[in-house]
Amino acid sequence: SAVISQKPSRDICQRGTSLTIQCQVDSQVTMMFWYRQQPGQSLTLIATANQGSEATYESGFVIDKFPISRPNLTFSTLTVSNMSPEDSSIYLCSVEVWGEGYTFGSGTRLTVV
Amino acid sequence: SQKIEQNSEALNIQEGKTATLTCNYTNYSPAYLQWYRQDPGRGPVFLLLIRENEKEKRKERLKVTFDTTLKQSLFHITASQPADSATYLCALDIYSGAGSYQLTFGKGTKLSVIP
Repeated sequence: SAVISQKPSRDICQRGTSLTIQCQVDSQVTMMFWYRQQPGQSLTLIATANQGSEATYESGFVIDKFPISRPNLTFSTLTVSNMSPEDSSIYLCSVEVWGEGYTFGSGTRLTVV
Repeated sequence: SQKIEQNSEALNIQEGKTATLTCNYTNYSPAYLQWYRQDPGRGPVFLLLIRENEKEKRKERLKVTFDTTLKQSLFHITASQPADSATYLCALDIYSGAGSYQLTFGKGTKLSVIP
């Protein structure tokens, strides 16, 4: 199975600022997935990041708000831009391990004040 | 509209009993159905995956069934222990085109095993 290192684990940010979340995988993967988990809710897919191409965003999520980078097959970043209190959530990255489901990072707990 | 429903937000069970969690879905044709465990402040951890042509899968004290006619999966934990207390998430692996799949989650069932 894959091991994902995600950081920061938590942050408190001022509204209007941006935060970049990093995920490092210990093996090469084609796709990395970014999820949001709002308080008391389940996980919602934000976007799928492929190396060498633009990320694919789900309905309700746009690149200007959540720009994603995928410079190589083991690393990706998600930026939460121009933050508001409504962006307070846990953000998680994930990769699929064939036949073994998906492995998730430990999450980034974001609080916007 | 497409839905994944885990019909209990919370389930309390006595230690040693079998916990049964239910996942129902509508308007999806999943290739796989997966179950995850999530502890507070942590990311989900993969437990079991069952394919659309499989009826049942077991792993130690865990058993998953998958009925594509009823559009339902049951997740069982036998001889439950307090350490099994967590939120359990059902997730559907949906084909999204161009050889890609997308994982869509239910809201989860919070299981509490009482000593």
